[in-house]
Amino acid sequence: GIQVEQSPPDLILQEGANSTLRCNFSDSVNNLQWFHQNPWGQLINLFYIPSGTKQNGRLSATTVATERYSLLYISSSQTTDSGVYFCAVEADGTASKLTFGTGTRLQVTL
Amino acid sequence: DAGVIQSPRHEVTEMGQEVTLRCKPISGHDYLFWYRQTMMRGLELLIYFNNNVPIDDSGMPEDRFSAKMPNASFSTLKIQPSEPRDSAVYFCASSPGQAFGGYTFGSGTRLTVV
Repeated sequence: GIQVEQSPPDLILQEGANSTLRCNFSDSVNNLQWFHQNPWGQLINLFYIPSGTKQNGRLSATTVATERYSLLYISSSQTTDSGVYFCAVEADGTASKLTFGTGTRLQVTL
Repeated sequence: DAGVIQSPRHEVTEMGQEVTLRCKPISGHDYLFWYRQTMMRGLELLIYFNNNVPIDDSGMPEDRFSAKMPNASFSTLKIQPSEPRDSAVYFCASSPGQAFGGYTFGSGTRLTVV
């Protein structure tokens, strides 16, 4: 099956710093989503982004499907950004079935 | 819409007992997914439904696990008999389908089997 690798696995930032999280995938995809799992365990959909660039406040994401990667940018980080960020992809022919990466654990400190 | 609703939020049960987890998807979403999250294996897809029909149950670990979706607004995941290794957080998610938007997850059920 498709492989999804995220980097870095862990990241510690000071409040106000910017960061880039990366997701590489091993095969063609129809769909790519970014999720944030907060410290209480809730999974929040950040972006549905099979290709192109989207922005939502301090967060933005870019997917280059032809090169099989996606990037999540966090600007002016806040402590509430802490948690685990997951990339998930739907491989060709898997009809809405998402495969999740192992995540990037982010800690934002004061 | 209230989002995807799961119940119970927490469940503690003894080994050998039957456990039933419940999920109400977002109205109008044609897809429903059951995931399990553990430290060792991350987020794993167990089964998913399209228009109430099970499409892929290849992630269901063994015959002790079963899932049903009797109508568009309700699904259950049942474990019988439960074992300590089933302890995990079980998430339900729904989606309007490919090209129409992303998943919405419920808050999860934390299952502990002692």
